[in-house]
Amino acid sequence: GENVEQHPSTLSVQEGDSAVIKCTYSDSASNYFPWYKQELGKGPQLIIDIRSNVGEKKDQRIAVTLNKTAKHFSLHITETQPEDSAVYFCAASTGETDKLIFGTGTRLQVFP
Amino acid sequence: NAGVTQTPKFQVLKTGQSMTLQCAQDMNHNSMYWYRQDPGMGLRLIYYSASEGTTDKGEVPNGYNVSRLNKREFSLRLESAAPSQTSVYFCASSEQGYTIYFGEGSWLTVV
Repeated sequence: GENVEQHPSTLSVQEGDSAVIKCTYSDSASNYFPWYKQELGKGPQLIIDIRSNVGEKKDQRIAVTLNKTAKHFSLHITETQPEDSAVYFCAASTGETDKLIFGTGTRLQVFP
Repeated sequence: NAGVTQTPKFQVLKTGQSMTLQCAQDMNHNSMYWYRQDPGMGLRLIYYSASEGTTDKGEVPNGYNVSRLNKREFSLRLESAAPSQTSVYFCASSEQGYTIYFGEGSWLTVV
């Protein structure tokens, strides 16, 4: 079945620096790759997603890149702020219906 | 603007007890899900319902049952709770196109 690996598990950056989180997936039929942010005590919230027909997508300080050949995708956060501190999850569609397989999460800490 | 609502928020059960987690969505979505979240394990799919009247097993279905009562509601039942089922449970819903919206979570402890 589909497997999604996510690295690193923890990431600490100084405010204003960039943060990069990487994920790899195994199912070549996967065609949808969302990223979720989870704050303490809350449910995950979608922050950006990308479909297999594009290689990059940006939304203000957040960008996602996709390399289908290598089966990996990355989340880039520029000019980090303390409010970016949270757990981030990547996910990949299983290639069937609407199911997603999630990575194990990255705890991002942004220090002022 | 409720989105996905799940109850209860917190629950403590004794081993062997049963309980049902309730979930409702007001976005008219066809698909609904139950995930569990454990430290270092990410979110793992327990059960999935593509539409009213249909359910499918996910990655970790053992020990759970589900009911898709109608388009809005999708419940998760633990018939005989075990300590290994201590976790945070998330209900979610989506329309075709894969954007999944999550509820706020239910913290379950089995002692």
